[in-house]
Amino acid sequence: QVQLVESGGGVVQPGRSLRLSCAASGFTLSTYAMHWVRQAPGKGLEWVAVVSYDGSNQIYTDSVKGRFTISRDNFRNTLYLQMNSLRVEDTALYYCTRGSGGASRYYFDYWGQGTLVTVSS
Amino acid sequence: DIQMTQSPSTLSASAGDRVTITCRASQSISTYLAWYQQKPGKAPKLLIFGASNLESGVPSRFTGSGSGTEFTLTISSLQPDDFATYYCQQYSTYSYTFGQGTKLEIK
Repeated sequence: QVQLVESGGGVVQPGRSLRLSCAASGFTLSTYAMHWVRQAPGKGLEWVAVVSYDGSNQIYTDSVKGRFTISRDNFRNTLYLQMNSLRVEDTALYYCTRGSGGASRYYFDYWGQGTLVTVSS
Repeated sequence: DIQMTQSPSTLSASAGDRVTITCRASQSISTYLAWYQQKPGKAPKLLIFGASNLESGVPSRFTGSGSGTEFTLTISSLQPDDFATYYCQQYSTYSYTFGQGTKLEIK
């Protein structure tokens, strides 16, 4: 069965960096676009970034452009999110999700359990 | 960016009731609309994609409809397991925006 398992979250000071990982299993990672979606405590869902099936294209929400980098290693079946210059407002539960659909129009059919990032001084 | 607005924000209902949640897009998204259910402490679960296509394993009491800018999610006969928060999401454009959520509470 499809499994997505995030790791790497934690408490970090503003301006510091953190790298999240998502281990994928139960499907062929190299055939799917993958996304990160976040949810601030008690708030709604916010899409963060997408990487194409082969890692050649990435798109970000405006608030993280220039600070976050999404990447993937299809041989290791792993998705990453490098987060630099973290801000208090980046505090959230970060979900790894699989994109289904196609032609850059994706809904999210599988989700991990999330990893919590807390940015605080 | 396309804005998604759900109504109501909170809905109180009883088991066995029929309920409808509305989602409006700020511009036309054709049928590129998904619905998710989220329970406390859990990841969202996909219910419907393409505005009206039921995801495998989702009970048939969930129905989605609409196109363009107005969409609805209907639960025909509420079960105890259905009390949760529901989100719509547009995937017509890269912003992949979600509605703010509708919390379905037990009356």
